[in-house]
Amino acid sequence: EVQLVESGGGLVQPGRSLRLSCAASGFTFDDYAMHWVRQAPGKGLEWVSGINWNSGSIGYADSVKGRFTISRDNAKNSLYLQMNRLRAEDTALYYCAKGMGAIGAYAFDIWGQGTMVTVSS
Amino acid sequence: EIVMTQSPATLSVSPGERATLSCRASQSVSTSLAWYQQKPGQAPRLLIYGASSRATGIPARFSGSGSGTEFTLTISSLQSEDFAVYYCQPSNNWPQTFGQGTKVEIK
Repeated sequence: EVQLVESGGGLVQPGRSLRLSCAASGFTFDDYAMHWVRQAPGKGLEWVSGINWNSGSIGYADSVKGRFTISRDNAKNSLYLQMNRLRAEDTALYYCAKGMGAIGAYAFDIWGQGTMVTVSS
Repeated sequence: EIVMTQSPATLSVSPGERATLSCRASQSVSTSLAWYQQKPGQAPRLLIYGASSRATGIPARFSGSGSGTEFTLTISSLQSEDFAVYYCQPSNNWPQTFGQGTKVEIK
């Protein structure tokens, strides 16, 4: 079964850090670009970051650039999001999503169930 | 950054009727456009990619059309399970910013 399982969310104070993980299974992980998408409570979807198959190309939304770092470990079939200097507006459900191709932009055909990040003092 | 504008924000439709959702891009994305469905408490699901190709397992009542900057998602005969929020997203370059969504509700 093709599956993405996120973990690492929780309650964190403003200015602190958090690292999210996404474990992939059921497909050849290093054949595809991967992404993080978030959704604030009651709001729409926001693309956060993407990484191509070999980490050679990485992109970020302006809202997280300089604070968040995406990475992947193809040997462990895992995707990560290091989130530093967190703000209240980063509070959201964070989804891991699989792109339909290896390089560049594609539709996202597989999604995890998300991990909740709450930034509050 | 490409800005995606969806209309209407909310669409009230009776079961069995046709629903037509629109998505406009601030610049051409050719046919690199995806549509997603999201139900409450669930992750988004890919419906359409490449503007008009149905994803695996998506019923034929869902169809996509358009190119350049104007796109349409049509649900030919709404079923009870189709009431949800629908998002469009460009898939030609990063950032892949989503539209704000159209909520399809029961009339």
